[in-house]
Amino acid sequence: GQQLNQSPQSMFIQEGEDVSMNCTSSSIFNTWLWYKQEPGEGPVLLIALYKAGELTSNGRLTAQFGITRKDSFLNISASIPSDVGIYFCAGQLAGNQFYFGTGTSLTVIP
Amino acid sequence: DSGVTQTPKHLITATGQRVTLRCSPRSGDLSVYWYQQSLDQGLQFLIQYYNGEERAKGNILERFSAQQFPDLHSELNLSSLELGDSALYFCASSWGAREADTQYFGPGTRLTVL
Repeated sequence: GQQLNQSPQSMFIQEGEDVSMNCTSSSIFNTWLWYKQEPGEGPVLLIALYKAGELTSNGRLTAQFGITRKDSFLNISASIPSDVGIYFCAGQLAGNQFYFGTGTSLTVIP
Repeated sequence: DSGVTQTPKHLITATGQRVTLRCSPRSGDLSVYWYQQSLDQGLQFLIQYYNGEERAKGNILERFSAQQFPDLHSELNLSSLELGDSALYFCASSWGAREADTQYFGPGTRLTVL
């Protein structure tokens, strides 16, 4: 299947620091989504991006749909302990196929 | 609580067996999606139903099948189970048919094949 390369694989940061993670692919996507998953729970949608170049914020989270439509990034500003979890990107190809990145595990040290 | 319910929460079975996972979408949602999450393959989209009809198909094996019933609940059937089918299976629902519509995920069913 399609490969979404998500990096970094894991991050250990101090509370208050900013976080940046990204997803890249060799394919062109119509939609990019960012999810957060906590232990024992299903993923929760954080941000959805529908147009190339689109920059969208959700509180301390900001995500952008890359101009080439092959990448996206997610930034978290002023991290707090409850930001801990695994963050997944997902891309939708034409034809309604959805593919997920391998996840970025975030640990916030108080 | 997303409003999506999945049963059972845990399922342990043997190779070669068949199991059925059940999902009830949020009230008012017409689309149901099934995903498989395993350690080596990550989160993979399997199949989507919208208002009883199959709408999109992902990496779903031929041994797996799904359906959505008139009351909009959905079942995922896994047959001839193999060790590699051990995974978390998530159901998600959304109001519309667009896959990019906000999907609400259930808590998942953890399947262990021994």
